[in-house]
Amino acid sequence: QSVLTQPPAASGTPGQRVTFSCSGSTPNIGSNSVNWYQQLPGTAPKLLIYNNNQRPSGVSDRFSGSKSGTSASLAISGLQSDDEGDFYCAAWDDSLNGPVFGGGTRLTVL
Amino acid sequence: EVQLLESGGGLVQPGGSLRLSCAASGFTFSNYAMTWVRQAPGKGLEWVSDISGSGGRESSADSVKGRFTISRDNSKNTLYLQMNSLRVEDTAIYYCAKSFYYDSSGYCEFDYWGQGTLVTVSS
Repeated sequence: QSVLTQPPAASGTPGQRVTFSCSGSTPNIGSNSVNWYQQLPGTAPKLLIYNNNQRPSGVSDRFSGSKSGTSASLAISGLQSDDEGDFYCAAWDDSLNGPVFGGGTRLTVL
Repeated sequence: EVQLLESGGGLVQPGGSLRLSCAASGFTFSNYAMTWVRQAPGKGLEWVSDISGSGGRESSADSVKGRFTISRDNSKNTLYLQMNSLRVEDTAIYYCAKSFYYDSSGYCEFDYWGQGTLVTVSS
């Protein structure tokens, strides 16, 4: 069982806006920044959002992140078919003294 | 262009050992912390171990502590993971990843990942 909790699945149609939630606790999300990773089928994870809401160079502005208290969320606007894949949240955990990941949310574009 | 290339995976019996390597290029290797993250078949991501840019600070998950050792050779731009006393539950793809920062403590921003190497522990 993952330290950070994510719904296992989400779906949307092309052009739609979808959001993913990530729930944690005080030692992790409550005290540290949240990062989001996208893993397309058969590939390595890719950093999508860091420091709660910052996009690395080259990441589309269709992706946005936010954090409030011990929860965080990722939003994708203008959904595209090639957005399909798994999305993971991550944060440093002060109690475990290491990074923790959510279990991932699998996005299906209908 | 940043590149990370893992090697050393394979099939090993329970109780056996393997040494993974991650050859880095395209950036000043000694300036950044490095991390190993694994993914069991059909499962999510799990942090395994990380090491600071100098190699002076390292940390590991409780699930591998005492069995796995992370190290780096900055003269060879290479990261290592020595895995001993392997268990069936260590079966996973092992990714090396580059950190945003020199120090690994307190951070989990990994901006570049290798393609991964598969470790299978089975009798």
